[in-house]
This record gives sequence, C-alpha cells and structure tokens, in this order.
Amino acid sequence: GESVGLHLPTLSVQEGDNSIINCAYSNSASDYFIWYKQESGKGPQFIIDIRSNMDKRQGQRVTVLLNKTVKHLSLQIAATQPGDSAVYFCAETAPGGSYIPTFGRGTSLIVHP
Amino acid sequence: DAGITQSPRHKVTETGTPVTLRCHQTENHRYMYWYRQDPGHGLRLIHYSYGVKDTDKGEVSDGYSVSRSKTEDFLLTLESATSSQTSVYFCAISPDRARETQYFGPGTRLLVL
Repeated sequence: GESVGLHLPTLSVQEGDNSIINCAYSNSASDYFIWYKQESGKGPQFIIDIRSNMDKRQGQRVTVLLNKTVKHLSLQIAATQPGDSAVYFCAETAPGGSYIPTFGRGTSLIVHP
Repeated sequence: DAGITQSPRHKVTETGTPVTLRCHQTENHRYMYWYRQDPGHGLRLIHYSYGVKDTDKGEVSDGYSVSRSKTEDFLLTLESATSSQTSVYFCAISPDRARETQYFGPGTRLLVL
C-alpha cells in the first residue's frame, strides 16, 4: 500500500516465497502504469508496465495485475530473492497533456535469506 | 541507468551558495526531467524539457532554474541553496515515441548546511 507518512509500508518475506506489493492509484483516467524498483542509493529502475486495456502482464518472475474498477495495481514477484530487496513504487499516467506520471511513495520489500 | 549520468553524485554546500547539477544522456531523447526525492513524498517534478531550449516548470519549481543548450545535457541550478533543498535529485529521460515511460539516472545527493 501507499505511505501516508515518513515511513514506508514494509513487506518482509522469506527467500523463495512469492511477494505481492500493492498500489492504489488516484486518477480514474490513468491509462498507463509502471512499476519501479529502487535499491538503496540508486535510481529507480523500470521493472514492468501495463496499459489500461490489459488486466495482467507478465515478465521475468514478475506479474502486474490491474483492477480498474477499484483503481488498484499489484506487483507479484515469484520466488523472491535477497536481491529483490528494495523499495517498489508505482507510477500512473493519464492520457493527453504532458504525459508526466504521478509517482506513489512506495513499499519497502525485505527478503530474508 | 539507460545511458544517463549525473554529476556530481554527492555534494555538500552552504546556504546561499549557487549549485548546478548536470544530467547527461547518450540516448538522444528529447524529453528530460528533474525530480527531487524526499522521505514521505513520491518523486516530485521540478522542471522538464521537451527539446533544446524548451523547458517548463513542474510542481516544485520555486528556487530552481534549468537550462538545455544541447540535446544530451540538462542542467539544474539552485541559484541560492537553502536547507529545504537538501534532497536526492534524479534526472530522467523518456523516449520520443513513449513519453510516459521514464528512465532514471543514478541520482545526486545534495546536502545544504
């Protein structure tokens, strides 16, 4: 979920488990979504994207699910590894205008060996 | 980091001094962006550029100026740094045919004393 304060929501999992990170987006007109991974001290890294004409998209070990009815996005990571430990955040973009996304605050994923 | 470099990577400066951060890309993309990232906030847009000498303000542009004299370079200047500008600054670029997809640089950590 999204942070409402200084501290990010945290998800702790064991290595090998599946992880699900959630994002509630704000604009019902948004039609393009990205998940980013940000490791400590690094810039955000593009993981996977999805357009609003899709409900699901799969990548390598990751799946993004989009529920437009409730404006909810999730990122599923299969067989989570210690290298997956990072902050994950979503970005939404509405059509038209400047195509500049709105970014969520993120969720911290901690993977225990 | 998608052919994006930022310099310096770390900077400590004193209140009232000017500071310039540089973003350099090797992708030849038209669109470049400057964001700041602070605890409790998602990435916030400072300024962006849609071509050489074409720039526009973002949501937190006060106290910042930008310049783009070449496609590959986008400069962010703090004319007179304040402690509230202590932050991590990220540059991003987006492809001309996929403007809503942004790729980020490694960031610059700025501390204003």
